[in-house]
Amino acid sequence: DSGVTQTPKHLITATGQRVTLRCSPRSGDLSVYWYQQSLDQGLQFLIQYYNGEERAKGNILERFSAQQFPDLHSELNLSSLELGDSALYFCASSVVGGANVLTFGAGSRLTVL
Amino acid sequence: GQQVMQIPQYQHVQEGEDFTTYCNSSTTLSNIQWYKQRPGGHPVFLIQLVKSGEVKKQKRLTFQFGEAKKNSSLHITATQTTDVGTYFCAGADSNYQLIWGAGTKLIIKP
Repeated sequence: DSGVTQTPKHLITATGQRVTLRCSPRSGDLSVYWYQQSLDQGLQFLIQYYNGEERAKGNILERFSAQQFPDLHSELNLSSLELGDSALYFCASSVVGGANVLTFGAGSRLTVL
Repeated sequence: GQQVMQIPQYQHVQEGEDFTTYCNSSTTLSNIQWYKQRPGGHPVFLIQLVKSGEVKKQKRLTFQFGEAKKNSSLHITATQTTDVGTYFCAGADSNYQLIWGAGTKLIIKP
């Protein structure tokens, strides 16, 4: 157990729907990162939050949004889902922002049918 | 934009053979991190290199950071089945944002 908790572990939904993925960072970590990993592909950085504020943005689609709450947990919202959004979504946390060591959660596997 | 190129994409080895993956950046990095992702798992931090020319060892794994802080390598001696997985490098740019390599998948031939 890495200390980063992601829910749900698996999610199956239909095109056009909206889902929310949740992440609780490791205790003491202030920064949360979201990554997308399609089948057998690399890690695509989506977005980073630090202590509730957006810190950096990667290749995040406009249909996707995220936020970090005062208790430091984060949610990634994916809307108007398309087949190509099927992927593993990882949350990672670090003590502070910037290039600190990342601790990853087990991921949420999204399947869009 | 800034990129970190990682090669090879795949490497097939016999158990007991060595394995090496390389990362090259277009610009100078502040530091570089290495992660391992087992099949079906999540990336797990292995090591961070910060200094120019730094070499660190973890048992059979040797990590190097180039003198110009633009390239890095991971070498595994005498691979074992437990080494199977994808190895990612992630370089920190001047803003300390991580730029990830595409990963090298280590496959042990049956």
